[in-house]
Amino acid sequence: DTAVSQTPKYLVTQMGNDKSIKCEQNLGHDTMYWYKQDSKKFLKIMFSYNNKELIINETVPNRFSPKSPDKAHLNLHINSLELGDSAVYFCASSQERPSTDTQYFGPGTRLTVL
Amino acid sequence: DAKTTQPNSMESNEEEPVHLPCNHSTISGTDYIHWYRQLPSQGPEYVIHGLTSNVNNRMASLAIAEDRKSSTLILHRATLRDAAVYYCILRGLRGGSNYKLTFGKGTLLTVNP
Repeated sequence: DTAVSQTPKYLVTQMGNDKSIKCEQNLGHDTMYWYKQDSKKFLKIMFSYNNKELIINETVPNRFSPKSPDKAHLNLHINSLELGDSAVYFCASSQERPSTDTQYFGPGTRLTVL
Repeated sequence: DAKTTQPNSMESNEEEPVHLPCNHSTISGTDYIHWYRQLPSQGPEYVIHGLTSNVNNRMASLAIAEDRKSSTLILHRATLRDAAVYYCILRGLRGGSNYKLTFGKGTLLTVNP
């Protein structure tokens, strides 16, 4: 069974459209994340949710809205897509510990905005 | 954020040991040293982490300098499947500004058959 899964794997869409990427984890973790990896391969955190509450919100345009219906899911909705949103988006999860914890990443969703 | 410096790329032969260096001269006393790797077309995966003492697990070993200003990830016998970008990341305690994973450029490891 896949620990962290994302759908879709590929997403091609036109500028201005609204799209969603879904993420599910079956590890029983209480924290989930969204990362963006751009064309230069830099991987940057966007959001983090702990027990359905937003705890990290990096300087991401408010066209991006994460939604966590429950602890096992963290979806990413993007409004008014722009060319610069083209990237690979990774979801991750972890079980939060006082000192440190391991993050488990999904396979990624490659978003192409035309 | 505390920063790390890694070589852009390294090359190894299959079944030989690989030593991947990481410099982190500005590390603070509560920063853990984490290593993740990203295989081609996959998400990053955890490799190992440590604080002060050397660490071993089934994937690799982590050797940490006594002053903690550098560390080395050791793959004891490289396989073709180990070809990936390896990221050395400093991570602070929960609640601090350095708690999130901040990925740098990493080291691209090429393994030759």
